[in-house]
Amino acid sequence: GAVVSQHPSWVICKSGTSVKIECRSLDFQATTMFWYRQFPKQSLMLMATSNEGSKATYEQGVEKDKFLINHASLTLSTLTVTSAHPEDSSFYICSASNVMNTEAFFGQGTRLTVV
Amino acid sequence: KQEVTQIPAALSVPEGENLVLNCSFTDSAIYNLQWFRQDPGKGLTSLLLIQSSQREQTSGRLNASLDKSSGRSTLYIAASQPGDSATYLCAGYSGAGSYQLTFGKGTKLSVIP
Repeated sequence: GAVVSQHPSWVICKSGTSVKIECRSLDFQATTMFWYRQFPKQSLMLMATSNEGSKATYEQGVEKDKFLINHASLTLSTLTVTSAHPEDSSFYICSASNVMNTEAFFGQGTRLTVV
Repeated sequence: KQEVTQIPAALSVPEGENLVLNCSFTDSAIYNLQWFRQDPGKGLTSLLLIQSSQREQTSGRLNASLDKSSGRSTLYIAASQPGDSATYLCAGYSGAGSYQLTFGKGTKLSVIP
């Protein structure tokens, strides 16, 4: 299957700072990538759809000014958590695919801890 | 809006037992359905993908079925092993050409040696 790489796998940051998470499709091009968030003992919830060359589409309740998404190329989407607070501590995971595949492929996920 | 429910939330079985995990969805227009495994603090491992035109898929000791008319999918695990202990998630694709998934909350499986 196709490979999606996510970096970093874990990060600890101080409250008020910003953190950038990268999602790369290594062996295919993806015009659309998805960002999910998972709180402890909860399921994965879609945060936003990242569209190459255009603005991301955010799900209801997700602050677009806090979670900045940039999809500047066909192989890279970034999620920046701005002015992070402890309540942003969560597991963030991205997925990507294209018309050559029948399924979405997921990155390894990023464990964000804000202290 | 599609909602995915998984029952039970947690399951504990002795090693060697066969078991079934259940997944139900509200919108029968679901396209593909996929089962994942998630180990504590880790990402997702894809187990089985049932495409829209299929009714089941098998891989080793795992068998997944999909019945759109009843809004249900099941994951059957044969001869369970302690290494099968993990959280199992089912997720539905919203439509043809869409890779957006709606996940259930998962079933946490513990296989006791």
